[in-house]
Amino acid sequence: DAGVTQSPTHLIKTRGQQVTLRCSPKSGHDTVSWYQQALGQGPQFIFQYYEEEERQRGNFPDRFSGHQFPNYSSELNVNALLLGDSALYLCASSPTFLGEQYFGPGTRLTVT
Amino acid sequence: SQKIEQNSEALNIQEGKTATLTCNYTNYSPAYLQWYRQDPGRGPVFLLLIRENEKEKRKERLKVTFDTTLKQSLFHITASQPADSATYLCALRINAGNNRKLIWGLGTSLAVNP
Repeated sequence: DAGVTQSPTHLIKTRGQQVTLRCSPKSGHDTVSWYQQALGQGPQFIFQYYEEEERQRGNFPDRFSGHQFPNYSSELNVNALLLGDSALYLCASSPTFLGEQYFGPGTRLTVT
Repeated sequence: SQKIEQNSEALNIQEGKTATLTCNYTNYSPAYLQWYRQDPGRGPVFLLLIRENEKEKRKERLKVTFDTTLKQSLFHITASQPADSATYLCALRINAGNNRKLIWGLGTSLAVNP
């Protein structure tokens, strides 16, 4: 049973560019959440997708957008990258809304 | 303001001892609380969930308590081992009207010395 997978593992972008991160949830899970984790901080909730719709959103600007596909996989898009967007981006799936979160390994984004 | 706090300083203990980590919150009425383990550069791993009407929950060497009067959860690791060294995060599920969400603590770093 595959767990949550994310791609790519690492990414380096320059300011102003756009980035797309991808996530496949754990088998049997239909809810996907995205988190940003800066060094030494806890995960910050970005948004959650269920049934291909954004259901909940954290305190992040519109530069952060997402999508969920019919197979429950998801993408996180960040436009007009800022240096402060450098972080570990985590995808998590859950069997129930806000139930226990199963995290992927994360994508380390560095903005230079 | 609403916030969730965990031990800010790293916890160092000797192998075999019991580690106790604290998660305090203010101004929330959580539905439940979750504990996770996170290793450097990796995603958190779910450990235990305890509901508001539960006082204690156990899983192998792990024990979690939840005191909604004190607004506190304690996370215990008995007979600790060096492999237990990691950062431990607590997360609160809160219901704020139609806005249900998980609020995360910053985590406590635990080092178990052989």
